[in-house]
Amino acid sequence: LAKTTQPISMDSYEGQEVNITCSHNNIATNDYITWYQQFPSQGPRFIIQGYKTKVTNEVASLFIPADRKSSTLSLPRVSLSDTAVYYCLVGAGYSTLTFGKGTMLLVSP
Amino acid sequence: GAGVSQSPRYKVAKRGQDVALRCDPISGHVSLFWYQQALGQGPEFLTYFQNEAQLDKSGLPSDRFFAERPEGSVSTLKIQRTQQEDSAVYLCASSPNKRELIYEQYFGPGTRLTVT
Repeated sequence: LAKTTQPISMDSYEGQEVNITCSHNNIATNDYITWYQQFPSQGPRFIIQGYKTKVTNEVASLFIPADRKSSTLSLPRVSLSDTAVYYCLVGAGYSTLTFGKGTMLLVSP
Repeated sequence: GAGVSQSPRYKVAKRGQDVALRCDPISGHVSLFWYQQALGQGPEFLTYFQNEAQLDKSGLPSDRFFAERPEGSVSTLKIQRTQQEDSAVYLCASSPNKRELIYEQYFGPGTRLTVT
């Protein structure tokens, strides 16, 4: 199982771009990289998924270098409502996707 | 449209009681998942269904935990003889199984179980 390492917490201000990096040195060939967001007392919400290079959707971008040993979730112009826990998951197969403790992002005015 | 719903939202059980937690997935979603989330931790995988077939139950912590999805829609997670360590939020998720977003899951709000 690919182990992931991400910062425990990050602070930012409204309007800034936030980049959260996840390390996954032993990622396997078949593994995908998936990011989720979770607000208190709610279930996680899917943000983005990628395999290699760059993926962008209406919410975020995901940058994956060629060696795939890390990935960076980029949130453009964050707002207070982006304060949440962000999880990086790496795996192939649902039972192998480990949420871990995630990164607590705090956005201040 | 309606999202994943779970009931009850809160459940308090005395140690030793049996509990049943219900999940209504998004209509048409083939895959259904159960997770357990302890306080301050990320969700941990329990089990996974594709239609009515339970394809993976490797995450169920003991034989006191049992999940079913008899008609391929609603699912029930049953915990027998509850213990204090079972106290957690139980999350249900469903997935449309899109080929290009194979790990996109839609989560319900969870059921908070407290065992006293």
